[in-house]
Order: sequence, then C-alpha cells, then structure tokens
Amino acid sequence: AQSVTQLGSHVSVSEGALVLLRCNYSSSVPPYLFWYVQYPNQGLQLLLKYTSAATLVKGINGFEAEFKKSETSFHLTKPSAHMSDAAEYFCAVSVSGTGTASKLTFGTGTRLQVML
Amino acid sequence: EAGVAQSPRYKIIEKRQSVAFWCNPISGHATLYWYQQILGQGPKLLIQFQNNGVVDDSQLPKDRFSAERLKGVDSTLKIQPAKLEDSAVYLCASKAVTANTGELFFGEGSRLTVL
Repeated sequence: AQSVTQLGSHVSVSEGALVLLRCNYSSSVPPYLFWYVQYPNQGLQLLLKYTSAATLVKGINGFEAEFKKSETSFHLTKPSAHMSDAAEYFCAVSVSGTGTASKLTFGTGTRLQVML
Repeated sequence: EAGVAQSPRYKIIEKRQSVAFWCNPISGHATLYWYQQILGQGPKLLIQFQNNGVVDDSQLPKDRFSAERLKGVDSTLKIQPAKLEDSAVYLCASKAVTANTGELFFGEGSRLTVL
C-alpha cells in the first residue's frame, strides 16, 4: 500500500519569500504524486501532478515540485510567496491502474501562512 | 464544464439523528469517491464506486454509514445514527475511467456538525 508523509503541519513565510512544503512517499510500485490546495470552506483543487514523465513538474499559481526517487520525495516549492497562497496543502499518491489502485491516499496536510 | 456538485453545504444535527449527503459528479465520470475529512487531517477514503458498483468500501463504517449510486450517476451518502466523531467535511470526487493518472475532481464538500 502506498502512503505519503508531510513534514510540518504549519509553515509560515513572509510575503516574497521562498515556499517549501515537504512530502515523502512510500510505494512498492512507481507512484503518481499530486499536490492539492484547499482554501477555507472549499474543496480540493489540483496544483500539479507527477505521472512518470518529467521529474520537475510545473503547476498553477507559480508552484512546482520535483520528483526525487532516490529520496522518495516530492517537495512543493514557489520562489516568491503571495498573500493569496495562504491555504492548506495536501500531498497525495496513487498508482497506475483502475479500480482500487486509482484511489488517492492523502497526507495530513500543511497549513501555509503568509505574513506581510 | 460543470464541476462536482454537493449538497447540502452545511448540516447540524444531534447525535443519534440521521443525515444524507448528495453528490452529482462531472458528466461522464464513471468513478465516484466519498472522502471524510476530519478537522486537521487529510481526506480519508470512505467508498469508491465505478458506475453503480462498489470498488472499495473497506474504510466505510458499515454499521452506521451507507452509500449508493443506483443509476451510475449521482450518489447519496447516509449516516444513521450519527456520532459526535462523525463531525467532518464529506468530500465527493469523480474521475473519468479513462484517466489513468489518478487525477480526481472534488466538490466543495458537505460540512457536518454533530452535537
């Protein structure tokens, strides 16, 4: 079974500073990896996904993530934080296939706070 | 394209009462999921449907939770009787069966408070 671990339940950065949200995965087969963002009282929105193509994945709102197999990591970064980035971020994993393999398993989330 | 629709958005009930949530997935999406998101935690899968069949309900507390997707389109999740620990946001998501990369599209969720 696959799983993800998000390091740090809360991250606080200044506006304009680098954002780094950490995610490590565990999977016995090549994984698909995702970052979702959740704004207050809203559902989850896909930021970006890794599906075994390029290891550096660019997403919406200036976010990107790099798949590092040797480190089993998929950390999310953004060069310059904006106030509008304040939200909850979830890392998730699935594996290729249909049926139960297609379900997403989520981490516990990281709340990003952006300060003026 | 319309997204995943859920209702009601908010519901407050007392323990031992019953509640039902409705979800209408994106048109043409054969796979539908119900997730439970407790405050401060990541979403946890309750049940997965493909068309009107159950693919995975291993995490569904079947003594009190039930779900159906009779015509393979919209779905209902029911809790009866509710417990305090059922307070959570119930998220519905859907995926096209041909989308092998696992991307799910989520509704805005139904927030349940059990008093």
